[in-house]
Amino acid sequence: DADVTQTPRNRITKTGKRIMLECSQTKGHDRMYWYRQDPGLGLRLIYYSFDVKDINKGEISDGYSVSRQAQAKFSLSLESAIPNQTALYFCATSVGGGAVTDTQYFGPGTRLTVL
Amino acid sequence: GQNIDQPTEMTATEGAIVQINCTYQTSGFNGLFWYQQHAGEAPTFLSYNVLDGLEEKGRFSSFLSRSKGYSYLLLKELQMKDSASYLCAVRDTNDYKLSFGAGTTVTVRA
Repeated sequence: DADVTQTPRNRITKTGKRIMLECSQTKGHDRMYWYRQDPGLGLRLIYYSFDVKDINKGEISDGYSVSRQAQAKFSLSLESAIPNQTALYFCATSVGGGAVTDTQYFGPGTRLTVL
Repeated sequence: GQNIDQPTEMTATEGAIVQINCTYQTSGFNGLFWYQQHAGEAPTFLSYNVLDGLEEKGRFSSFLSRSKGYSYLLLKELQMKDSASYLCAVRDTNDYKLSFGAGTTVTVRA
């Protein structure tokens, strides 16, 4: 069974629609992250959470919001989707601590298309 | 923040060696990671360097020079399955976030 799961895996939506991407993990990690990946730009951090009560903006948080419902669940919302939010979205988790054990583990990704 | 540069594409022959370079500029350094990402899939962890020198793990090795802001990933005895994108990422010492380079797409040809 996968340790980090994302739903949905693929989604096509229209401009202006609200959409939520969900991430769940069974690794017991405190830290969770949301990234988007665009061709030629690499992975860019949207939001991150170091525990249930801690939410932080990443480098490209405009147009996005998040919710950390539990240690194991971290959701990303697009309140009003726009075409330039078309991308591959990854959730990741890490145990914390700053050592090599703080490696980030990625979910399988959600491919989002906004028409 | 970090500024991370790596080549966009590299091509090599099966059985050969390829070296992927990564240079970075950072306000606070807490380690450098290499990830492998096959097309359409999630990145998977390959290696981690925090001290200067070479870390070897089977066919893959990673080198770090902190004074030069430089790392490389060495892939030996290339196999077709090594065709993938390789991501260099630097961890910030202040908040332990990762900043990623754009990735190097390696194509292995028979």
